[in-house]
Amino acid sequence: DIQMTQSPSSLSASVGDRVTITCRASQSISNYLNWYQQRPGKAPELLIYAASSLQSGVPSRFSGSGSGTDFTLTISSLQPEDFATYYCQQSYSDPYTFGQGTKLEIK
Amino acid sequence: EVQLVESGGGLVQPGGSLRLSCAASGFSFSSYAMNWVRQAPGKGLEWVSAISGSGGSTYYADSVKGRFTISRDNSKNTLFLQMNSLRDEDTAVYYCAKRTTANNGPYYYYYMDVWGKGTTVTVSS
Repeated sequence: DIQMTQSPSSLSASVGDRVTITCRASQSISNYLNWYQQRPGKAPELLIYAASSLQSGVPSRFSGSGSGTDFTLTISSLQPEDFATYYCQQSYSDPYTFGQGTKLEIK
Repeated sequence: EVQLVESGGGLVQPGGSLRLSCAASGFSFSSYAMNWVRQAPGKGLEWVSAISGSGGSTYYADSVKGRFTISRDNSKNTLFLQMNSLRDEDTAVYYCAKRTTANNGPYYYYYMDVWGKGTTVTVSS
């Protein structure tokens, strides 16, 4: 199975900050990489698919990049509703494994 | 409105069984593969199982293979997860999720774009 490792595991930031979360795959997955946001007590929501394609309805302050084994999720200017946990997921091969999550907290 | 609603969770003893359901609405259910994803208390997301739109192909995580069975009834727009021989470590919120495919030339990208609110399964004596 492909292992997905996110860093950092947690992050404190302030409203208006620019934030980057990293996801690394244990082998090359081309750009078969998705990002999800999960607010406390809620179901996950899709943010980005195919490493850099923004899901419809997702604010443009979210962006994704990367290919191969290294990927990033960037939030250009944090808003109060962005404080949540973020997960990457590879869709290159079954099982479609998730990263362990990055919890973004208010500083 | 596209919607998924899970049901069937509850408290069950180790070794017991439970059947989860996921009612879909607002989209052509039989055209989409469906997934179950779970989240243990305070933990991350774990993909559990998937089924093709026709129901002819199924996939399982190693942690549930041989104990869980995914199925679907396209006439009733409903997804199921039959869980047998339940263990303490199966305690989790179980989400159903719709899988969408985007293609870019010869490349196909899979992602889960609609999720239910989840149903809680607690395995405990």
